[in-house]
Amino acid sequence: ELKVEQNPLFLSMQEGKNYTIYCNYSTTSDRLYWYRQDPGKSLESLFVLLSNGAVKQEGRLMASLDTKARLSTLHITAAVHDLSATYFCAVGGSNYKLTFGKGTLLTVNP
Amino acid sequence: ETGVTQSPTHLIKTRGQQVTLRCSSQSGHNTVSWYQQALGQGPQFIFQYYREEENGRGNFPPRFSGLQFPNYSSELNVNALELDDSALYLCASSFGGGVTEAFFGQGTRLTVV
Repeated sequence: ELKVEQNPLFLSMQEGKNYTIYCNYSTTSDRLYWYRQDPGKSLESLFVLLSNGAVKQEGRLMASLDTKARLSTLHITAAVHDLSATYFCAVGGSNYKLTFGKGTLLTVNP
Repeated sequence: ETGVTQSPTHLIKTRGQQVTLRCSSQSGHNTVSWYQQALGQGPQFIFQYYREEENGRGNFPPRFSGLQFPNYSSELNVNALELDDSALYLCASSFGGGVTEAFFGQGTRLTVV
């Protein structure tokens, strides 16, 4: 059974600092997704990574995928308060579902 | 903002009752997946419907059932509600069955008392 582990689960950052969220998964997959969720809200799609070595950037967020290491990272550059949210990675295998990590609650403090 | 809409947005039910949640998929999408998200957890896959047929199911009991209609909208039915069914229920719309990029609706917050 596919398992997805995110770390850290809680991240308190100062504005302007950089940090990385890690997503490890247990079986081979070439589809990895990052979502953002604000409190009480639904999931907003951030990145879709479909091949080994894929790197995508949007604003202060950059995601990468290493399928050989079964690892994806979400890097935050010069954090701002608006980035405070819960971030989920989700892995798609050869079947029909996404398997989500437990999420990383990011708080950016002034 | 996605074109996936869910109703109702909030619902309170009593243990033992039945509930129906609804989802309208994004235009052009023929696949709907349902997820349950308990407080503080990641979403858990319930099942997927593709072209009106169940295309896969997660580890949920049979009292969780669903339907997909010819216009690709979908319903999630839960019978004999239990307190642990309290959660945010998310509908995800996609194209082509299987695992593709999914766009989520705003969710239905179900509270069972």
